[in-house]
Amino acid sequence: QLQLQESGPGVVKPSETLSLTCSVFGVSIGSTVYYWGWVRQPPGQGPQWIGSLLYSGKTYYNPSLKSRLTISLERSKNQFSLRLSSVTAADTAVYFCARGPTYYSGSGSYTKYFFDYWGQGRLVTVSS
Amino acid sequence: QSALTQPPSASGSPGRSVTISCTGTSSDVGGSNFVSWYQQHPDKAPRLIIYEVTKRPSGVPDRFSGSKSGKTASLTVSGLLADDEAYYYCSSYAGNNHVVLFGGGTQLTVL
Repeated sequence: QLQLQESGPGVVKPSETLSLTCSVFGVSIGSTVYYWGWVRQPPGQGPQWIGSLLYSGKTYYNPSLKSRLTISLERSKNQFSLRLSSVTAADTAVYFCARGPTYYSGSGSYTKYFFDYWGQGRLVTVSS
Repeated sequence: QSALTQPPSASGSPGRSVTISCTGTSSDVGGSNFVSWYQQHPDKAPRLIIYEVTKRPSGVPDRFSGSKSGKTASLTVSGLLADDEAYYYCSSYAGNNHVVLFGGGTQLTVL
């Protein structure tokens, strides 16, 4: 049974780096039919897409976060991670990891731009 | 890219139907078949209920249906149940750079 579980600090100081890990159970993170992603939800607001990651390691980032963002695979641990640098109070949110399906076109594999399984979420507060 | 536009609230009586709209642009909602809808209960993760405009994942009742006309996508919930009371968010491919957009959300109240 598929399960995604976020882990990492619940409090991060301003200007420091937010680091979260998503552990995946029940499917290989290297599967070619899925992609992986991060979505955050500030308190009382709608979700915001952070970025997506293909099995190949190729990444797609939200342009508003791209300069501070790194998403990567950790194949040996069946995990993927999020690092967001230089955080401010505006980065306070519940962070979700999620899975979505891919499709294959003649030029390669692409994400389908939706997420069918989500982790439970991890509240990260930016505060000194 | 801007967030997609949803009405902040919607309501309906048990057994009735309600439709929630999601308005974007010709680049995102209007130009993409990758429009999806999520249901979120308080303190829970979003749950996918519609993908690729009209498709339902396994386990989602056919009381939930999706459609699109031009730049506006719609979610219809028929035969309202108390458990349908939740926030509903639309999402769409933005049309470039593999960006995904979400709507601001609609709070559905079952009267």
